[in-house]
Amino acid sequence: SQTIHQWPATLVQPVGSPLSLECTVEGTSNPNLYWYRQAAGRGLQLLFYSVGIGQISSEVPQNLSASRPQDRQFILSSKKLLLSDSGFYLCAWSPPPTGPFYGYTFGSGTRLTVV
Amino acid sequence: AQTVTQSQPEMSVQEAETVTLSCTYDTSENNYYLFWYKQPPSRQMILVIRQEAYKQQNATENRFSVNFQKAAKSFSLKISDSQLGDTAMYFCAFMKLPPNTGNQFYFGTGTSLTVIP
Repeated sequence: SQTIHQWPATLVQPVGSPLSLECTVEGTSNPNLYWYRQAAGRGLQLLFYSVGIGQISSEVPQNLSASRPQDRQFILSSKKLLLSDSGFYLCAWSPPPTGPFYGYTFGSGTRLTVV
Repeated sequence: AQTVTQSQPEMSVQEAETVTLSCTYDTSENNYYLFWYKQPPSRQMILVIRQEAYKQQNATENRFSVNFQKAAKSFSLKISDSQLGDTAMYFCAFMKLPPNTGNQFYFGTGTSLTVIP
């Protein structure tokens, strides 16, 4: 069966420090991968998505970046965090477009607090 | 562009009662998927139910069912026999076909449901 792992679960970082959040998927090949951010009490905002290794699409201009160095690995990064980067970050995956679509499967999320 | 609207920011229901969460969407597409996701206090996003637009029959998963009105572009979620574990934020979502093409998954702003003992 497929599983998605996201870490760390909680992170407190000072303003100006770098960031690296990691997400890996097991049990599938060539998944579509996504990074979402959720501010407190708000909906989900798509940040990045990837349909293949090295292929990254950005939805929101900001000081965050994403990379996909391996087929099932998706990394969210920042060189210098801002206070406004605080939030809950969710990684998700979906299978390649063959057969019925059963929605996204989400990781357990990372709660990031920038202080 | 597709939009998904959840007009009820907060709702509450007595344990064992039935509650309906509303969702409307705007699209010019004819084929698409609709979903309800649940986000409990742990913040893990969990798929509750899924509906394919070309199917007229409403989807059902145990105590969860939907009322899909394609012409009205309405997709409400009914929770029967509410349980304390149903307390969560519920998100309605829309995906146009073909699926899995990156940014074609649209979420509503969510409805916070509290089940009262």
